Amino acid sequence: DTGVSQDPRHKITKRGQNVTFRCDPISEHNRLYWYRQTLGQGPEFLTYFQNEAQLEKSRLLSDRFSAERPKGSFSTLEIQRTEQGDSAMYLCASSPPLEKLFFGSGTQLSVL
Amino acid sequence: AQTVTQSQPEMSVQEAETVTLSCTYDTSESDYYLFWYKQPPSRQMILVIRQEAYKQQNATENRFSVNFQKAAKSFSLKISDSQLGDAAMYFCAYSKYGQNFVFGPGTRLSVLP
Repeated sequence: DTGVSQDPRHKITKRGQNVTFRCDPISEHNRLYWYRQTLGQGPEFLTYFQNEAQLEKSRLLSDRFSAERPKGSFSTLEIQRTEQGDSAMYLCASSPPLEKLFFGSGTQLSVL
Repeated sequence: AQTVTQSQPEMSVQEAETVTLSCTYDTSESDYYLFWYKQPPSRQMILVIRQEAYKQQNATENRFSVNFQKAAKSFSLKISDSQLGDAAMYFCAYSKYGQNFVFGPGTRLSVLP
């Protein structure tokens, strides 16, 4: 068990560029979640998958955001045409059937 | 929609003393889960303690315990014998099985030597 892995740890991009983040969950966990967190705030739910099915998406997830989890393994979160308001920590978490979230270290996005 | 409220943005405690962090939540469900997560300056979220709503007994994990009042929809965290390493943001969270986890805004805990 190597924990939840996120890549990259940090990403700096220019406004208007596309970015993609990757999350590798703990291998036996069938559920995977994406959250966004700004400094001093609690995590805000973006979306979650059970295996490869995307079961819920937040209203926060505009049409510039898309997430995938092919074959129910790793997941990617893509942000198209980034805006300065997208600057945040993007957290991935996975959960076994027992209700409990295990978080990765996050990807810190800075949009200049 | 479920909401989680933490009314104390910041708290401080003297080393070796006891502190209680407050959390209230709103739900119409009868079966759910409640959590306290800790986020130190490294920003790695760590599970502190978990409570199933159907259990009347309050959860405990070493120096950490909760006071779960289901009727009042209250879920406070008590940290005993506070240590410098307990300094962090603490987030209360709610989930219903198979749905997303809802987090509160957090309480920043400082531990004074």
